[in-house]
Amino acid sequence: EAGVAQSPRYKIIEKRQSVAFWCNPISGHATLYWYQQILGQGPKLLIQFQNNGVVDDSQLPKDRFSAERLKGVDSTLKIQPAKLEDSAVYLCASSHLAGGTHNEQFFGPGTRLTVL
Amino acid sequence: GENVEQHPSTLSVQEGDSAVIKCTYSDSASNYFPWYKQELGKRPQLIIDIRSNVGEKKDQRIAVTLNKTAKHFSLHITETQPEDSAVYFCAASTGALIFGKGTTLSVSS
Repeated sequence: EAGVAQSPRYKIIEKRQSVAFWCNPISGHATLYWYQQILGQGPKLLIQFQNNGVVDDSQLPKDRFSAERLKGVDSTLKIQPAKLEDSAVYLCASSHLAGGTHNEQFFGPGTRLTVL
Repeated sequence: GENVEQHPSTLSVQEGDSAVIKCTYSDSASNYFPWYKQELGKRPQLIIDIRSNVGEKKDQRIAVTLNKTAKHFSLHITETQPEDSAVYFCAASTGALIFGKGTTLSVSS
């Protein structure tokens, strides 16, 4: 089966600019996650979707970050305006949440964002 | 919320030795504990996971143990090989994953 797809793979922007990332999860996976991984740290959850609804966005800096999954499949994550500390790898993951049982999360290749 | 502590941050072993990485978690409601391996510039890959109704799980050279009372779980790699060199992350979950800060394992031949 095809894995989680993300684009772009790399992005370099100036601070205060806007940027958007795209994720296509594994077909049939109802749950989609966006994580931020700063160099040398573990991934940190930004937002979790179940189909097209938000389950957890408590760690999302809502003054500058937004995310949507309008049709319950693809998702976009946007940063506007970007700050230097947003430089990180943004990982998308998906899982097949069946009957409340936690299943393996499959990660995409990530988008490496550099803010200058 | 959940907090996961992981130790050690770096671990160097000789090829053939065993490696042990330990994690503790704070939320007693966590019921799923995966371990991920991440090579430089690559995505995290699941290597083994354990659920709260199981105390130990083994897959070839890799094993994970869980002590729910003490709220800690450990990864054991036996007969280490140079290709085991990577960053290993533990995580705990009641839904989304809360990751530890990672352990950089170096296996020298």
